[in-house]
Amino acid sequence: DAKTTQPNSMESNEEEPVHLPCNHSTISGTDYIHWYRQLPSQGPEYVIHGLTSNVNNRMASLAIAEDRKSSTLILHRATLRDAAVYYCILRGTSGSRLTFGEGTQLTVNP
Amino acid sequence: GAGVSQSPSNKVTEKGKDVELRCDPISGHTALYWYRQSLGQGLEFLIYFQGNSAPDKSGLPSDRFSAERTGGSVSTLTIQRTQQEDSAVYLCASSLVGRTSGNRDTQYFGPGTRLTVL
Repeated sequence: DAKTTQPNSMESNEEEPVHLPCNHSTISGTDYIHWYRQLPSQGPEYVIHGLTSNVNNRMASLAIAEDRKSSTLILHRATLRDAAVYYCILRGTSGSRLTFGEGTQLTVNP
Repeated sequence: GAGVSQSPSNKVTEKGKDVELRCDPISGHTALYWYRQSLGQGLEFLIYFQGNSAPDKSGLPSDRFSAERTGGSVSTLTIQRTQQEDSAVYLCASSLVGRTSGNRDTQYFGPGTRLTVL
């Protein structure tokens, strides 16, 4: 699977929107963009995924650039519970495993 | 409904001993994965089971590691002759679909087993 690049850390204030960026310049046409997050002392949990169009669900929104070389996970109103490591992962058709990078540590300030 | 469960939640063992870690996937999920998360290595894939197909063992770090999945449900990860570098959190995940549309399925993770090798 192609590689992703994310900032090591980001900070946000509670109840403010958060935009978490991810670069994936070598993405292929069939790669899906997945986001997972890992809260402290828990296993990762699925957040959202998309292919070309922007996606919304109850947890977040995913904005995908027109050339698909980057994407942004949007948390519309951050809460303290959103403090976690967020992983941007590309998944191709060749396999089902998740390949985790370093992710972005999100800190939410009260 | 019930999520993925793992047991034990914590395991402390002495170097050289064998350990078995158990994973109960979500009922009906055909795909099961093992990952481990250690301080210096991040989250890494170990092994993947999909239905009755031969497992993908490409992530197992050595032949001391093995896993089986009985009856298409419960899985056991076995580490023989444990070493200190095996200390990590071992995570299990399951998904509904797996190989046929693997780039779209959602993986559900258990809480993990923290293994400490003294």
